[in-house]
Amino acid sequence: QKEVEQNSGPLSVPEGAIASLNCTYSDRVSQSFFWYRQYSGKSPELIMSIYSNGDKEDGRFTAQLNKASQYVSLLIRDSQPSDSATYLCAVGRVGTASKLTFGTGTRLQVTL
Amino acid sequence: NAGVMQNPRHLVRRRGQEARLRCSPMKGHSHVYWYRQLPEEGLKFMVYLQKENIIDESGMPKERFSAEFPKEGPSILRIQQVVRGDSAAYFCASSTTPGTGPYEQYFGPGTRLTVT
Repeated sequence: QKEVEQNSGPLSVPEGAIASLNCTYSDRVSQSFFWYRQYSGKSPELIMSIYSNGDKEDGRFTAQLNKASQYVSLLIRDSQPSDSATYLCAVGRVGTASKLTFGTGTRLQVTL
Repeated sequence: NAGVMQNPRHLVRRRGQEARLRCSPMKGHSHVYWYRQLPEEGLKFMVYLQKENIIDESGMPKERFSAEFPKEGPSILRIQQVVRGDSAAYFCASSTTPGTGPYEQYFGPGTRLTVT
């Protein structure tokens, strides 16, 4: 079992729709969760961080965390073609400024 | 530029040569992480450093790879006697000092290493 699992996609959504990206993790000690966006040939860009159960909203992005189910998701509202990228889920441990463990990413395609 | 800086952006080496990758963390950050991304694969942690200290090198290959973060100057990832399998994108990330933030890591633009 991989430590952090994501569906590789591609996930195709029409412009203006909600894109839902999912991630599961295996280490129950994990306490910090991040979503990064990576365009082809570029470096990962931090979009969202979440540490507590529930929802966290930032503009068109909402991160959702359920520690009991070891599940974290990212919702993108009003998807735009510029959102087309690979979204990486990363997991770490609060308190030790430690390494992040990444999933392999979900490729999102927003179609016109 | 207050972001994480890496150089060179592209590096070509022949098999057997040495590669040196440099990383300057974001202003105010004292923690540096190196990750490697192989083609069509995810990001893999290599090493975590603070000034003059290696904190976690659990992801570093046992041979040929080394890293340092001196008191002055950038962090350096060194790969000796490169092989074709070392061809990858190497990313550096930095974060704040513990106790001052949530340890979000911000990535530099990366160094694309090609071994011929």
